[in-house]
Amino acid sequence: GQNIDQPTEMTATEGAIVQINCTYQTSGFNGLFWYQQHAGEAPTFLSYNVLDGLEEKGRFSSFLSRSKGYSYLLLKELQMKDSASYLCAVRRLRSGSARQLTFGSGTQLTVLP
Amino acid sequence: GAVVSQHPSWVICKSGTSVKIECRSLDFQATTMFWYRQFPKQSLMLMATSNEGSKATYEQGVEKDKFLINHASLTLSTLTVTSAHPEDSSFYICSARDWGGPDQPQHFGDGTRLSIL
Repeated sequence: GQNIDQPTEMTATEGAIVQINCTYQTSGFNGLFWYQQHAGEAPTFLSYNVLDGLEEKGRFSSFLSRSKGYSYLLLKELQMKDSASYLCAVRRLRSGSARQLTFGSGTQLTVLP
Repeated sequence: GAVVSQHPSWVICKSGTSVKIECRSLDFQATTMFWYRQFPKQSLMLMATSNEGSKATYEQGVEKDKFLINHASLTLSTLTVTSAHPEDSSFYICSARDWGGPDQPQHFGDGTRLSIL
């Protein structure tokens, strides 16, 4: 089976930096995704890691360590609109099946003025 | 970028009604689409993988006779919730992956909020 853990809630101040951690246990690992989801809306893609290291995309960066089963999403220069749920999702290869995503429970980030 | 359209966005209906939800990839072809369900303050749970031209693959615990999936073309998959009951009330979201390569992310539709009275 799979196990994906991320903190339930985090709070940070506008303009600050926040790091959201995600740990996972899975077989057939084939990549890790981060999505942002505002309440009542569908998730939107933020970043993707399949190899170890840091991927930077504007104010967002994501890091992966496959040996440790660990990833984090780093958000810089926080803005009020960044208040949302951040979902860590692991993709795995399953024989006879398309690559599927399994989502963590999400981290609800609240940005305070 | 890849766009996935989902319709309707909101459904309220009586218990026992069947409800059909459509998921379309607007600017790309998707041989595979995914259907998720999300309860309030919980994460997305994969219900089934929809394969164009063949039967859907259901996750454990999901009743295939209750949640009928049809993927008749490369741009359309439908989910029909048959004889819906209040416990089926949830947020249903579809996604599709653009076959630009294995690194392509899944793109999500806007979701359908289903409320069964």
